[in-house]
Amino acid sequence: AQRVTQPEKLLSVFKGAPVELKCNYSYSGSPELFWYVQYSRQRLQLLLRHISRESIKGFTADLNKGETSFHLKKPFAQEEDSAMYYCALSGRLSGGGNKLTFGTGTQLKVEL
Amino acid sequence: GAGVSQSPSNKVTEKGKDVELRCDPISGHTALYWYRQSLGQGLEFLIYFQGNSAPDKSGLPSDRFSAERTGGSVSTLTIQRTQQEDSAVYLCASSPPWGGDEQYFGPGTRLTVT
Repeated sequence: AQRVTQPEKLLSVFKGAPVELKCNYSYSGSPELFWYVQYSRQRLQLLLRHISRESIKGFTADLNKGETSFHLKKPFAQEEDSAMYYCALSGRLSGGGNKLTFGTGTQLKVEL
Repeated sequence: GAGVSQSPSNKVTEKGKDVELRCDPISGHTALYWYRQSLGQGLEFLIYFQGNSAPDKSGLPSDRFSAERTGGSVSTLTIQRTQQEDSAVYLCASSPPWGGDEQYFGPGTRLTVT
């Protein structure tokens, strides 16, 4: 069974401080991992995916298969980064779709 | 263009009543997903539609839950004989047919069963 764990419900950092949102997964196979973000009063949206190896809004995430982790990092937090962040693991469905298994989310609060 | 839309945005119902939740996916998106987010829980997959193919219902929690998708577009999630544990935010998402794993989410329907 696939499972995603986000150990922190709330992470509070000061503006300009580094941020690391933790995500660990359990999956038998080659995982596809994502970070989704939900800003206040907005809908859930994709932030980044591990296969792209890209930096979005200054955030990066590296897949570590040895530690089964996909932590989200940003060197300098900004006030606009305050949001709910969800780590998600993709599993194939019959018919070719992708079932996303989400963690319980981490609320990031960036304080001035 | 318009994103995924869902209606109603909020629904309060009495225990034992049936409810219908609606999802309009992005035009041209062939894949449609329903998820549920209960208080303090992550999003839980419910059901997946791909075009006109038979849906993957592997996430439906009980036979009180059903969903249909008409004409490969609009979808309705029906919960019969609602229970208090059905209270949650129900999210719909769609994906385009041209590959990629991104799912585009709607704003959700908050269901409260009293």
